[in-house]
Amino acid sequence: ETGVTQTPRHLVMGMTNKKSLKCEQHLGHNAMYWYKQSAKKPLELMFVYNFKEQTENNSVPSRFSPECPNSSHLFLHLHTLQPEDSALYLCASSQDLRDSTEAFFGQGTRLTVV
Amino acid sequence: KNQVEQSPQSLIILEGKNCTLQCNYTVSPFSNLRWYKQDTGRGPVSLTIMTFSENTKSNGRYTATLDADTKQSSLHITASQLSDSASYICVVSAGGSYIPTFGRGTSLIVHP
Repeated sequence: ETGVTQTPRHLVMGMTNKKSLKCEQHLGHNAMYWYKQSAKKPLELMFVYNFKEQTENNSVPSRFSPECPNSSHLFLHLHTLQPEDSALYLCASSQDLRDSTEAFFGQGTRLTVV
Repeated sequence: KNQVEQSPQSLIILEGKNCTLQCNYTVSPFSNLRWYKQDTGRGPVSLTIMTFSENTKSNGRYTATLDADTKQSSLHITASQLSDSASYICVVSAGGSYIPTFGRGTSLIVHP
């Protein structure tokens, strides 16, 4: 295991539902990330947090709302999603934001919007 | 615009055979290049990282090469095993940026 844990592993939700994805890291890292991975497309960076402060919002729709209460935990709150939001959502963490720092990924949450 | 192109998109080989995956990039200024392995339904795991001055780096049966002049990298897998079946993703970081550029990945299937 990479030390980054995501729950749940699978989630099916209706377009009117509200749900949350959780990510936890036990590596002592200061930076955490949310990525979206759709079939046949490269990973898309969604949000970046460094020392609990959001440093990047990559033009993500407001129906995705991140929360970082501390350096070890990261949430992604979901509401009124669309079927095209179905994807694998990956959380990652790294020691810092240097370009040479390795990112460690969680196993992802497979989200299906019906 | 920073881009990473990988080829082939998919590859099927027999167990025990070797294979080479390609990565071309247009990321500037170049800082480092990583190859990740992503098993189905799991997150990516780093295999190697290469900086500008490195030409070759090995990790067991995986050998990565980098030609910074032509902006190309390859990942060579020797004596493939069934467990090598996965997606291999090339990721390039630009100097001074914490937002890397990801390739679409090469899907490798190893048949017995």
